[in-house]
Amino acid sequence: AQKVTQAQTEISVVEKEDVTLDCVYETRDTTYYLFWYKQPPSGELVFLIRRNSFDEQNEISGRYSWNFQKSTSSFNFTITASQVVDSAVYFCALSEPDNNAGNMLTFGGGTRLMVKP
Amino acid sequence: EAEVAQSPRYKITEKSQAVAFWCDPISGHATLYWYRQILGQGPELLVQFQDESVVDDSQLPKDRFSAERLKGVDSTLKIQPAELGDSAMYLCASSLSLGLGEETQYFGPGTRLLVL
Repeated sequence: AQKVTQAQTEISVVEKEDVTLDCVYETRDTTYYLFWYKQPPSGELVFLIRRNSFDEQNEISGRYSWNFQKSTSSFNFTITASQVVDSAVYFCALSEPDNNAGNMLTFGGGTRLMVKP
Repeated sequence: EAEVAQSPRYKITEKSQAVAFWCDPISGHATLYWYRQILGQGPELLVQFQDESVVDDSQLPKDRFSAERLKGVDSTLKIQPAELGDSAMYLCASSLSLGLGEETQYFGPGTRLLVL
């Protein structure tokens, strides 16, 4: 069964600090997809990135970067020079191909990031 | 930018009452999902539709929950009767197609339900 673990339940940093959010996953499949979502206080989940299991290249988007390592089953997310607007709960999620279950996302428990001015 | 719409945003009800939530997916998205998110936890899938057909409702408590997507566009999730433990955020999401795990799901703002 698939499982996603975000061991850090809450992180507090001061603005401009770099911060890394950890995500460890478990799956029996060789093909799978990993996602990160941001949930601000307003409640909606905002899609940040999707990565497939065959693409281990790290990705950078502005202040955001992602490090995917299959050897350790991790998909970590780093925010460089954090800002107050980055304060939110961040979720890592996993999806496996399953003809019976369609497109089910399994979410981790989330990491609450608080960025203080 | 196209968005998933949900209403109401907030709902307070008493236990044993019936409640209903509505979702309108992004135009052209064939697949629709309902998730429940208990405070402090990640969302959990309740049901997913491909057009008007249910693909997976294995996690839907069918004794009190029902979901429909009659015309394959918008959807309604109903709880009858509501219980205290149903207090949670109910999130709707949509994706272009069902896919095999690769489809990105886009979420609406959610409905916060409080059962008293």
